Amino acid sequence: GQNIDQPTEMTATEGAIVQINCTYQTSGFNGLFWYQQHAGEAPTFLSYNVLDGLEEKGRFSSFLSRSKGYSYLLLKELQMKDSASYLCASMDSNYQLIWGAGTKLIIKP
Amino acid sequence: GAVVSQHPSRVICKSGTSVKIECRSLDFQATTMFWYRQFPKQSLMLMATSNEGSKATYEQGVEKDKFLINHASLTLSTLTVTSAHPEDSSFYICSARDLTSGRDTGELFFGEGSRLTVL
Repeated sequence: GQNIDQPTEMTATEGAIVQINCTYQTSGFNGLFWYQQHAGEAPTFLSYNVLDGLEEKGRFSSFLSRSKGYSYLLLKELQMKDSASYLCASMDSNYQLIWGAGTKLIIKP
Repeated sequence: GAVVSQHPSRVICKSGTSVKIECRSLDFQATTMFWYRQFPKQSLMLMATSNEGSKATYEQGVEKDKFLINHASLTLSTLTVTSAHPEDSSFYICSARDLTSGRDTGELFFGEGSRLTVL
C-alpha cells in the first residue's frame, strides 16, 4: 500500500535548526513535496525534489534519497512564524499526491 | 506562481441546507482541479478530482450525490455540499496544477480554503 510517515510533533528553539523527516512508500514516484500549513489556512508550497540530493532555498532546505524512500526538510535560523504544520507528500505514478499527516512544529523563544 | 482563489472563506449554515464553494484559477486554465477536506489536526484527504467538461472522479467513500462537483469552465470548479449535516463541518480546500506549456513544475496551487460550519 501507499504510506507516508512523518513525526506528529516537534519542538525547537528560536534561532536553532530543526530537521523534519519523512519516509514514503508509493506506487511509482514522481517527486516529493513539502508544504507549510498554518492553522486554519491552506498549505503553501515549500519545495519539490525529484532527484537525489539537497535543494537549498533560503532558510529552508529539502533532501531526497529515492533508494531509501526518505526525505527531510531542514529549517535554519528558526523564527516564531515558522510554527506551523509541515506536510510531506509523495507524487505517485498517476501523478496523485499522497499526503502525510503533517508534523506540527512548535517554536519556543 | 499561479493563483487559485476560493470563495467563501467561511460559511455557517443550518443543517439540511446546501452550500456551494467556488474555486477559480485566476491566471491559468485548469483542466483538472482537486478538492480536499481536512478535519482538525488531520492531513488533507482527497475527495474528488474535478475534470473540465466531464464527470468528477470521486475517491472511495465520498458520496457523489452529497458532494456535487461541477467544472463547467477551464477556470472554475464548484463543490456543493447538499443537505449538509454537522458532521460535514470541515475545512474544504481546492487545488490545481498549472499545466500551461513550460510552466508545470508539478506544484499544486491551493485556494485559501473554506471553513464550513453546519449548525
